[in-house]
Amino acid sequence: EVQLVESGGGLVQPGGSLKLSCAAAGFTFSGSAIHWVRQASGKGLEWIGRVRSNRNGYVTSYTASVKGRFIISRDDSRNTAYLQMNSLKIEDSAVYYCTRQPETGRGITPPGDYWGQGTLVAVSS
Amino acid sequence: TEMTQSPTSLSASVGDRVTITCRAGQGIATYLAWFQQKPGTAPKLLIYEASTLQSGVPSRFSGSASGPDFTLTISSLHPEDVATYYCQNYNTAPFTFGPGTKVEIK
Repeated sequence: EVQLVESGGGLVQPGGSLKLSCAAAGFTFSGSAIHWVRQASGKGLEWIGRVRSNRNGYVTSYTASVKGRFIISRDDSRNTAYLQMNSLKIEDSAVYYCTRQPETGRGITPPGDYWGQGTLVAVSS
Repeated sequence: TEMTQSPTSLSASVGDRVTITCRAGQGIATYLAWFQQKPGTAPKLLIYEASTLQSGVPSRFSGSASGPDFTLTISSLHPEDVATYYCQNYNTAPFTFGPGTKVEIK
């Protein structure tokens, strides 16, 4: 059974840092890109960024609002992806989800067939 | 790539045909996905590559594309379809979501 489990959320002060984890099981983690998506309370989905698989050089991409503050990484030996969040702002408060995108080498596959349950980040003084 | 959706919300009766439209600000070929999200839960993939039904999704859901415009159709609205629906570009980063369409039962 495919599973993605986020952890590491919590309350942090503005300007602080937090590192989220996304632990994967039930599929070949090294063969998938991992995306991070967030959702502020009562708002829509916001794509944050992606780390690609080894096949694609572990290339990362980010949305403009987090570029330079957030870093996505992965450890294939631990089947885990990470979202390091620095210089946090109040507007970063949200539920953070990870989701996978299989990278088979045969065309572009869609992200989002499996998601974690989300972890809540609250940025407040 | 900016994604727009219309309408923002809709109210329809059980059994009605429901159509939601998404427009891509730039060319994304057919690399568009549709998601359903119910309150307090993670999004669920319904459609990918504009018109391919994800495994396990009821056949009353369908998708189509015409140039920059994409459409999600629910052929006959069921009570369990009450949710917010999002489109997402997955052609090139940033993989933007549309703002969402909230579907309610009249």
